[in-house]
Amino acid sequence: DGGITQSPKYLFRKEGQNVTLSCEQNLNHDAMYWYRQDPGQGLRLIYYSQIVNDFQKGDIAEGYSVSREKKESFPLTVTSAQKNPTAFYLCASSARDRGSYGYTFGSGTRLTVV
Amino acid sequence: GNSVTQMEGPVTLSEEAFLTINCTYTATGYPSLFWYVQYPGEGLQLLLKATKADDKGSNKGFEATYRKETTSFHLEKGSVQVSDSAVYFCALSDRGNTPLVFGKGTRLSVIA
Repeated sequence: DGGITQSPKYLFRKEGQNVTLSCEQNLNHDAMYWYRQDPGQGLRLIYYSQIVNDFQKGDIAEGYSVSREKKESFPLTVTSAQKNPTAFYLCASSARDRGSYGYTFGSGTRLTVV
Repeated sequence: GNSVTQMEGPVTLSEEAFLTINCTYTATGYPSLFWYVQYPGEGLQLLLKATKADDKGSNKGFEATYRKETTSFHLEKGSVQVSDSAVYFCALSDRGNTPLVFGKGTRLSVIA
């Protein structure tokens, strides 16, 4: 079955460390997205990529970095510059015609700073 | 720019009650509209969608009608169950290359 996989489900980071969250899709979708969700809050867009080797900043890109070397993969690195990284991170993908089909979401990664 | 406004939660209902979650939008052109549902600890799942005015999206007993004259896409269900307890997000797509715009979400709790 096609889908989008995020790993790990839970991740713990020490202060000052960089961590990378994985997002892989086998839906042949062109575009991929990263969102952050804080408790009781909505979704905030971090980065998105419409095509391989290209990506754009979202609303809260500071302290995060991404790469898009393959169509299937869009990893997110939470750097030590992100001062409050504890949150639930959601990855999504969409076909070119997102107006008709919307997004497909992964099941999320919960990141906690210890 | 485009925006989505949905009713503040939380919404608490008894089982078998009628549900309405209001959603209004601001957009240029003719956007597509979506409702997503998020169960605790999970990602979002597409619940229903409508791509043009007067379309009605429906799924699992939920319905929403795309009303261009009132720029609304309210979510309704005639009889909620405990298993419907979740957070519901309204969203729009302007059909261009910009990401979907999401509302802030409405938490629904259904009690037996």
